[in-house]
Amino acid sequence: DTEVTQTPKHLVMGMTNKKSLKCEQHMGHRAMYWYKQKAKKPPELMFVYSYEKLSINESVPSRFSPECPNSSLLNLHLHALQPEDSALYLCASSQVDRKVTQYFGPGTRLLVL
Amino acid sequence: AQSVTQLGSHVSVSEGALVLLRCNYSSSVPPYLFWYVQYPNQGLQLLLKYTTGATLVKGINGFEAEFKKSETSFHLTKPSAHMSDAAEYFCAVSPLNTGGFKTIFGAGTRLFVKA
Repeated sequence: DTEVTQTPKHLVMGMTNKKSLKCEQHMGHRAMYWYKQKAKKPPELMFVYSYEKLSINESVPSRFSPECPNSSLLNLHLHALQPEDSALYLCASSQVDRKVTQYFGPGTRLLVL
Repeated sequence: AQSVTQLGSHVSVSEGALVLLRCNYSSSVPPYLFWYVQYPNQGLQLLLKYTTGATLVKGINGFEAEFKKSETSFHLTKPSAHMSDAAEYFCAVSPLNTGGFKTIFGAGTRLFVKA
């Protein structure tokens, strides 16, 4: 199984809502990532978890709150988002090694109204 | 800081023609190098990667890339384009000093394939 799944596929939320994005993998990977991708742009790294501990936070606003409850799951909690946060949010996973492949999920397309 | 430059935001080829997508990186020490493809409304998929060893790397779907240290390049080629190759292509590097986590992506090149 080389699949990373993400739910939901699409999400529309108001600026006062609280929602969560979910990501799951069963490849035994111990590194998991959140990326944000705006239209016609490359993915931008947001967070990295390594062995379920937050390893990298790329100065992401606190309205984005990641969580890694176990080695297979990664969540991104959203609260009080802004319209400019509308984007495709990609989850990825990999082994803990810089030369290995990152496996990406299909993404959640988020629209903030 | 490391950077990746993809020359040409759009490349258009005819079906059956050679595909050449250019990528240059900035580093005195070669990082690990990757090419990813993204089809519309999908995540990224690895095409190929260079870590060590043979500088000509073969990937999926008939793509290959050659690492040229002297030119700090990692250009992607395919001898004969197919309509299904139309997608966004990202060159990426994994720098030496980030423990493998900070993959740096180029801006991307959109490949169009004409019938």
